[in-house]
Amino acid sequence: AQKVTQAQTEISVVEKEDVTLDCVYETRDTTYYLFWYKQPPSGELVFLIRRNSFDEQNEISGRYSWNFQKSTSSFNFTITASQVVDSAVYFCALSEATRNNAGNMLTFGGGTRLMVKP
Amino acid sequence: ETGVTQSPTHLIKTRGQQVTLRCSSQSGHNTVSWYQQALGQGPQFIFQYYREEENGRGNFPPRFSGLQFPNYSSELNVNALELDDSALYLCASSLERRDYGYTFGSGTRLTVV
Repeated sequence: AQKVTQAQTEISVVEKEDVTLDCVYETRDTTYYLFWYKQPPSGELVFLIRRNSFDEQNEISGRYSWNFQKSTSSFNFTITASQVVDSAVYFCALSEATRNNAGNMLTFGGGTRLMVKP
Repeated sequence: ETGVTQSPTHLIKTRGQQVTLRCSSQSGHNTVSWYQQALGQGPQFIFQYYREEENGRGNFPPRFSGLQFPNYSSELNVNALELDDSALYLCASSLERRDYGYTFGSGTRLTVV
């Protein structure tokens, strides 16, 4: 069974600080996808990144960067020079790419609420 | 191109009633998934519809049912509402059944009293 753990339920930082959101996952499959989503107060889930299990290269997109380490089953997300607009709930999610995962279901972690204060 | 739209945005129902939530998928997307997000938790997979047939189901009782129409829009029906059904219901569409590019709607906030 697949499982995603986001141990940090809430993080508070001051604007311009760097912040890292942790994500640890469990899966028996060798082929899977990992995701990060942002959920602002309006409710919709905004896609940030998708990474497949065979691509362990770190990725950087503007102020966002992701560190994928299969050896520790972690997929951490770092925001550099945080801004007030980054305040939201962030979810890490996993989808196993096997025939048994009918429906390609996403398994989400419990989320991390990030508050960036001016 | 339009994204995923859900209606209504908010809804209040009484325990024991039935409710129907609606979702219009993104243009060109033939697969729709539904998720339930209780307050303070991550979304949980309810089921997925692909080309009008259920294509996978999470750990939800049969009183949660769905439909997908020829235009790929979808409905989620919940019978015999319980207080614990109060949640944000999210719809996500994707281009194909095995495509992992999901687009989520803003959700329907259901309150059961």
